[in-house]
Amino acid sequence: GAGVSQSPSNKVTEKGKDVELRCDPISGHTALYWYRQSLGQGLEFLIYFQGNSAPDKSGLPSDRFSAERTGGSVSTLTIQRTQQEDSAVYLCASSLFYTATNEKLFFGSGTQLSVL
Amino acid sequence: GNSVTQMEGPVTLSEEAFLTINCTYTATGYPSLFWYVQYPGEGLQLLLKATKADDKGSNKGFEATYRKETTSFHLEKGSVQVSDSAVYFCALSPSGGSNYKLTFGKGTLLTVNP
Repeated sequence: GAGVSQSPSNKVTEKGKDVELRCDPISGHTALYWYRQSLGQGLEFLIYFQGNSAPDKSGLPSDRFSAERTGGSVSTLTIQRTQQEDSAVYLCASSLFYTATNEKLFFGSGTQLSVL
Repeated sequence: GNSVTQMEGPVTLSEEAFLTINCTYTATGYPSLFWYVQYPGEGLQLLLKATKADDKGSNKGFEATYRKETTSFHLEKGSVQVSDSAVYFCALSPSGGSNYKLTFGKGTLLTVNP
């Protein structure tokens, strides 16, 4: 597709279960970002991938969160032992490359995660 | 740390009304400033940006001027349309090596009635 694709669009899970959220960036984009939007809050940076460089994981809120990006394309965000406070919209974005002039980000529509 | 504060919504206007959504920021150095928009059912998309003081970003009739003296980046449009109904997010990108880490405001929901 032409845009950033995220799946699933909605995920309902029980507390304590693991979940995987998927992001397909725009083809050719080397930079990929994950953000989280909790109810009534702004978007919160989680993790950043750029090419083959080590990712910046400084925004991950706990060690229950992890992410990988395979082959420089698709990314998966995994949340282990989900808690109710993990309920949020998880947004993925990609950009053509990282430059000092702040490359334009293209966002997916997000995954709405609800932890019961 | 960096932060962005934008006026809380929701904002409801009639078509052709003047729009202002206030945004102020806290950051060290010289951040870049952005407005992103999220239309119903769609992902966030960049509306406009300004990368240095006194720059004016503009797009689709919207404008915002980077005011370092007041640390502000208010969004304005002279005559809104129903199709402008969306959530608007102000954001900053810090200067320096971590400028990929955008800091966003909480968003302002705008509804324009015919």
